[in-house]
Amino acid sequence: GENVEQHPSTLSVQEGDSAVIKCTYSDSASNYFPWYKQELGKRPQLIIDIRSNVGEKKDQRIAVTLNKTAKHFSLHITETQPEDSAVYFCAATVGFQKLVFGTGTRLLVSP
Amino acid sequence: GAVVSQHPSWVICKSGTSVKIECRSLDFQATTMFWYRQFPKQSLMLMATSNEGSKATYEQGVEKDKFLINHASLTLSTLTVTSAHPEDSSFYICSARGGEKNEKLFFGSGTQLSVL
Repeated sequence: GENVEQHPSTLSVQEGDSAVIKCTYSDSASNYFPWYKQELGKRPQLIIDIRSNVGEKKDQRIAVTLNKTAKHFSLHITETQPEDSAVYFCAATVGFQKLVFGTGTRLLVSP
Repeated sequence: GAVVSQHPSWVICKSGTSVKIECRSLDFQATTMFWYRQFPKQSLMLMATSNEGSKATYEQGVEKDKFLINHASLTLSTLTVTSAHPEDSSFYICSARGGEKNEKLFFGSGTQLSVL
């Protein structure tokens, strides 16, 4: 089955800096990779996703890159703001099957 | 985006009682819904896949007789925690696929269960 590893577990940055969170997956058949942001006690919110036929996708300050050969994908947040502070989860799925989540990264953006 | 509604948002119950959690897709039909459990400061762990009109598929280690899932319509799935114990205390969250290609996963608001 699919296994997703995520690093780092915690990340502290200053406001305005960039933040990068990395994930690796094990199943080469995985073809959809979403990223979720979860605030304390709230539901995960989809912030960006990428399919396996695309290498990079950007949405304003957020971007995701995918390296299928290495089975890596990363989340990049530029010009971080305090409201970006949350737990971020990567995930991977094969086809339309279940999503397997990474272990999460707690991002803290200090003013 | 698609809206998934989950109720109740929190529940406190006595050990040995049963608790039912509802998950509804409000503006789309969901033939498949997923139930996750999340312990504090941990990731979301899939418990089971709920299929409309058929039996749910449980992940390894999840007791199907303890966590009863019913998906009787295209918009409603329920999770019943039977004979709850303190170790069942957790954040339970449902999700359903939606979006243009039906690949995006949208989550309910979650249910915080506390078993005394």
